[in-house]
Amino acid sequence: AQTVTQSQPEMSVQEAETVTLSCTYDTSESDYYLFWYKQPPSRQMILVIRQEAYKQQNATENRFSVNFQKAAKSFSLKISDSQLGDAAMYFCAYSSPNFGNEKLTFGTGTRLTIIP
Amino acid sequence: DVKVTQSSRYLVKRTGEKVFLECVQDMDHENMFWYRQDPGLGLRLIYFSYDVKMKEKGDIPEGYSVSREKKERFSLILESASTNQTSMYLCASSRQGFSNQPQHFGDGTRLSIL
Repeated sequence: AQTVTQSQPEMSVQEAETVTLSCTYDTSESDYYLFWYKQPPSRQMILVIRQEAYKQQNATENRFSVNFQKAAKSFSLKISDSQLGDAAMYFCAYSSPNFGNEKLTFGTGTRLTIIP
Repeated sequence: DVKVTQSSRYLVKRTGEKVFLECVQDMDHENMFWYRQDPGLGLRLIYFSYDVKMKEKGDIPEGYSVSREKKERFSLILESASTNQTSMYLCASSRQGFSNQPQHFGDGTRLSIL
């Protein structure tokens, strides 16, 4: 079974600075998908960014980018120019590529605080 | 936009009661999921349904059951609620056969069992 580990329960960053959230995972599969989800306080969980394991290039979405190290099984999220609206719980998640098995395995989350 | 609607944001029930949590999605998604979210434990999958009347156990199915009589609706049932089932419950849906597509979540139900 796959496991996902987020070793930083809490992080804080000054507004406009850059922060990196860590995620490692364990799998024996060669192809899979990785996601970062954001859950703002009392609000809905939404997708931030996704990465397909067979793609070498790191995914980027505006101020959000990932550092995907397949051999090390590492998938960190970098948030540049942090904004107050980035304050949230961030969850790393893993999905197998198998049809009919589109379940997600989540990490335990990192609570990100933005300091004005 | 996909909308996943959970019937209650907050719910308070008593020990031993039978509790129903309802979830409806409007995007014709085949897959629906129920998760439990606890501090320090992240999201844990309770049950997963990939078609009407079909279900699979997730990581923590004990004490729960589910029902999916229509494609758009997925219900979580606590047969006899206990205090250790006090938690946040999240429903999600996704398209089948597309593991790279995101799951879409509801707002969550914060359930307290007294």
